[in-house]
Amino acid sequence: DAKTTQPPSMDCAEGRAANLPCNHSTISGNEYVYWYRQIHSQGPQYIIHGLKNNETNEMASLIITEDRKSSTLILPHATLRDTAVYYCIVRGYANAGKSTFGDGTTLTVKP
Amino acid sequence: NAGVTQTPKFQVLKTGQSMTLQCAQDMNHNSMYWYRQDPGMGLRLIYYSASEGTTDKGEVPNGYNVSRLNKREFSLRLESAAPSQTSVYFCASSENRFFTDTQYFGPGTRLTVL
Repeated sequence: DAKTTQPPSMDCAEGRAANLPCNHSTISGNEYVYWYRQIHSQGPQYIIHGLKNNETNEMASLIITEDRKSSTLILPHATLRDTAVYYCIVRGYANAGKSTFGDGTTLTVKP
Repeated sequence: NAGVTQTPKFQVLKTGQSMTLQCAQDMNHNSMYWYRQDPGMGLRLIYYSASEGTTDKGEVPNGYNVSRLNKREFSLRLESAAPSQTSVYFCASSENRFFTDTQYFGPGTRLTVL
């Protein structure tokens, strides 16, 4: 099962870009990289996912390296409401029940 | 569209008592999941159901049982609660088709076992 490694915590100034890294060196060819976030003790919220191309939506951008062994989630203009725990996981159709969330990165956005 | 709903929101049990946590989704999703989250920790998978009629163990299944009642509902039962099961329990669902599998989570049930 592909596992991920994330830094435990990061700080970011309000209005600046937040770049959250994730290593997933054992990712297999049909597994996607997913990012979720959890604000306070709410249920995790889906942010974005990708296979090998860079992806962008209204919330964030996802940059995946060419060898797919790592990725970066970018919040282009972080606000105080983006303070949360961010989880990077890998998951595919064949291993839907086997991916793990890990402990994530606690992002603190400061005024 | 309510998404994923969980009942109850809060529960306090005494050691040895039993209870069932309920989860329902209205998105016609094939797969459903139960996770637990201990303070300051990430989510750990307890059980999942890839499709109606099937269930499988996750990382931490001991002390729990599940029932996939129908496509909408997936319940988690604690037969004899222990203090180590004090946690926040999240239910999730996903379409689980093709090669992507985005999960949608409920608001959680906060369980304390005394």
